[in-house]
Amino acid sequence: AQSVTQLDSHVSVSEGTPVLLRCNYSSSYSPSLFWYVQHPNKGLQLLLKYTSAATLVKGINGFEAEFKKSETSFHLTKPSAHMSDAAEYFCVVSLTSGTYKYIFGTGTRLKVLA
Amino acid sequence: DTEVTQTPKHLVMGMTNKKSLKCEQHMGHRAMYWYKQKAKKPPELMFVYSYEKLSINESVPSRFSPECPNSSLLNLHLHALQPEDSALYLCASARLAGVSEQYFGPGTRLTVT
Repeated sequence: AQSVTQLDSHVSVSEGTPVLLRCNYSSSYSPSLFWYVQHPNKGLQLLLKYTSAATLVKGINGFEAEFKKSETSFHLTKPSAHMSDAAEYFCVVSLTSGTYKYIFGTGTRLKVLA
Repeated sequence: DTEVTQTPKHLVMGMTNKKSLKCEQHMGHRAMYWYKQKAKKPPELMFVYSYEKLSINESVPSRFSPECPNSSLLNLHLHALQPEDSALYLCASARLAGVSEQYFGPGTRLTVT
């Protein structure tokens, strides 16, 4: 069975410092992996996706993630946090075997301190 | 343009009311989804339409009735809801079900009184 674990429910960083949001997945097949961001009372916005091409994926707003098969991880990073990055972040796995479903992690709330 | 629109933004309804949520996309996507999201939780899948046909119903109560009149439009008809149905309802679309990333709308905040 496939699953996603976001290792931190809350992360606090100071503005201008690096961001690391951790995600581990479990999948019997080669997965597609995504990171979404959700600002309060808004929909989910796609930050980036991994679909078996380059293992280092660059997304919008300066975010990137590295797929590490040996560690079954897909951690999200950003070199320098901005106040506008404060939001909920979801790691998502979708099998490439044809299932219609997204498997969501439980989310990580990112707080950015001035 | 990767925009999914949803109307209304907010909806308050009584338990005996009938109302509908609307979702629209003009990206040529052939898969459309309804999700329910409670506070501080990830979205939960309700329904999936693929090529305008219902593909997945995640055992959703019959008081929620989806409809896909054409490839651009998705409705969710609501009737006799309960207070616990209050949530953010999100619509999403994808180029093809299961193999493409999903794009989400801004959601409808539903309150059942």
